[in-house]
Amino acid sequence: DIQLTQSPSFLSASVGDRVTITCRASQGISSYLAWYQQKPGKVPNLLIYAASTLQSGVPSRFSGSGSGTEFTLTISSLQPEDFATYYCQQLSSYPLTFGGGTKVEIK
Amino acid sequence: QVQLQESGPGLVKPSGTLSLACVVSGDSISSNHWWNWIRQPPGKGLEWIGEIYHSGSTNYNPSLKSRVTISLDQSKNQFSLKLSSVTAADTAIYYCARRAPRGSAYYMDVWGKGTTVTV
Repeated sequence: DIQLTQSPSFLSASVGDRVTITCRASQGISSYLAWYQQKPGKVPNLLIYAASTLQSGVPSRFSGSGSGTEFTLTISSLQPEDFATYYCQQLSSYPLTFGGGTKVEIK
Repeated sequence: QVQLQESGPGLVKPSGTLSLACVVSGDSISSNHWWNWIRQPPGKGLEWIGEIYHSGSTNYNPSLKSRVTISLDQSKNQFSLKLSSVTAADTAIYYCARRAPRGSAYYMDVWGKGTTVTV
C-alpha cells in the first residue's frame, strides 16, 4: 500500500496567513493526488485534483503543487471559512489511500 | 445536480452484517464513473473501502476484502455495501462517493452526506 504522510498534523494560524500543508507519498504517484477539505460534521469536499488543478467552484486562494512523492497544498490568505481538516488522497494504485489529515485551527 | 444518499440501519450487532445502500440522483449509475464507499471512525481519518463500476467490476481494500461486497442495482440507480462479521472497530460514518474522470484519472467529486453506523 502507498502511505501518505501529512505534515503538520495540526496547524494554528490567523486570518490572512499563508498556510502550506505537505503530503509525502511512500512511493512515486506521478500527479495522481487529490486534496479534500472537511469541516466539522460535514462531508469531505474536493478542492484539488491531479495535484494542481482547482476543482470548479473552489476559491483561487487554494493551490496545489508537486509530483512524484512530495506535494503541497497552499492557502494564500487564510479565511475564517477555511478552518477545517485537510486530507490528501492518492489515486495512483490500489488500495486508494488518504493521508492522516491536517487540522487547521484559529490562532 | 448530482446527489448521493446513503441509507441503512444505524445499529448493527457484533458479528452481524452491515448493509447500506446509496441512491444516486442526477446521474446514471451506468455512466463512466466508479461508485465508492469510504468510512470515517469517530474523530479519525478517512478509509477507502472499495468501489464498483457499472460493468460490475470491483476493487476492494485488502484490509477489508474478505468481509466486503459491493454491488449495484441499475434498476434502482443505486449501489450497496455489505460488511460481514462486524466488530466495534467498524463503527464509523460511512460515505458513498462518485469517482469521476478528470484527465487521466478518476477523482471523488461528489459525496453523500454520510450515515453513522454503530456496532
